[in-house]
This record gives sequence, C-alpha cells and structure tokens, in this order.
Amino acid sequence: EDKVVQSPLSLVVHEGDTVTLNCSYEVTNFRSLLWYKQEKKAPTFLFMLTSSGIEKKSGRLSSILDKKELFSILNITATQTGDSAVYLCAAQGGSEKLVFGKGTKLTVNP
Amino acid sequence: EAGVAQSPRYKIIEKRQSVAFWCNPISGHATLYWYQQILGQGPKLLIQFQNNGVVDDSQLPKDRFSAERLKGVDSTLKIQPAKLEDSAVYLCASTLRRTGETQYFGPGTRLLVL
Repeated sequence: EDKVVQSPLSLVVHEGDTVTLNCSYEVTNFRSLLWYKQEKKAPTFLFMLTSSGIEKKSGRLSSILDKKELFSILNITATQTGDSAVYLCAAQGGSEKLVFGKGTKLTVNP
Repeated sequence: EAGVAQSPRYKIIEKRQSVAFWCNPISGHATLYWYQQILGQGPKLLIQFQNNGVVDDSQLPKDRFSAERLKGVDSTLKIQPAKLEDSAVYLCASTLRRTGETQYFGPGTRLLVL
C-alpha cells in the first residue's frame, strides 16, 4: 500500500530559527513529490520535485528529493510568524493520485 | 485567473441526513479531484474525474457517497445518509491535464455531522 510519513508531526520554534521538515514515501512507480502549505483553508502549492539531488528554492523555503532513499526535506530559514501552518507532503505514483502524509504542524512564536 | 470555487463553506447536519457539495474547477482544467480531510490527517482522495469520466474512485465509500461531473466542468459530491465519521473538510482540486501537474485546491467545505 502506498504511504507517506512526515516527521515531526508538530514543531514549535522562535522567529529567526531554521527548521527542517521530513517526508519519506513508499509509492509504486513514483512520479513526483509535492509540498503544500495549509493554513486554515485549502493547501497552497509550494514545490514539485521529480529529480533527485536538485534543490528547489523559493525565498526562504527550499526543498530537495532523494529518490534512492525515498526521502524529501523542506527547509525554512529565518522563520517568521507567518510561516505557522501545517506543511503537507504528497507523493504521486503510477496510479497518478496523490498520497498525502499527515502533515507537520509548525508554530513560529515571536 | 479565478481559483477553484466550492460551496457551501460550512454545513452542519444530523446523522442519517443527506448533504451535497459543489465544486467549480479552474477554467479549462480537465481533471477534478475530491478529497476528504479528517482533522489531524492529510487529504485522502475520494474520486478523480478526467472530463466527465471517472478515473479513480477506489476509496469512495460507494454505499453512501456519490459524485458526478456531467458536463465535464462543475462537480457535485453527495453523502446519503451521513454518519458521524463523515465529519471532515471536503476539498476539491483541479489540474489542467492528468499527469505530473500541480493540483490547485479550493477553500473546502467543512462538514459537521451531529
């Protein structure tokens, strides 16, 4: 059965800290790994990763995929209170549907 | 570009009642998805449409859930009769094509079954 596991499930940091969120996956015929940010509404897209070892960056956020170890990380540097959200990782396999992890709830305190 | 629209935003019903949700995807997006997100969990795919045809409904509880996308644009998801465990946020998402595309999510419908 396809599955995605995220860790930690919850994280509390102070503004300015750097955080690393983890995502491991097991999906048949893997195609891509996606990261979403979810506040009190719909998930919003952050990154799609298909190739191993190529870092994607957007401002203070970056992500990388390791297809050998079936693993991805999402880094956030110089965190701000606006980064507080649930970060969802999803893997797309051969069936084309997205399998989501439970998410990491990040709280950034001032 | 307008995003994915969903209605209603909130719904409270009693168990054994029926409820329907509506989704209007981004214009021109051929693929539409319905997800169920229970509190503390990631979204779980219920059904995927390609135009007006069903691609995957393997996780749809077909004894009580049904969905349609008759003209390949708007979609409705129905629950009849509802159970307490159906309390969740129901998310609709769409993509331009089917494979390797970023899914864009609507605001969701929060359902509470009492």
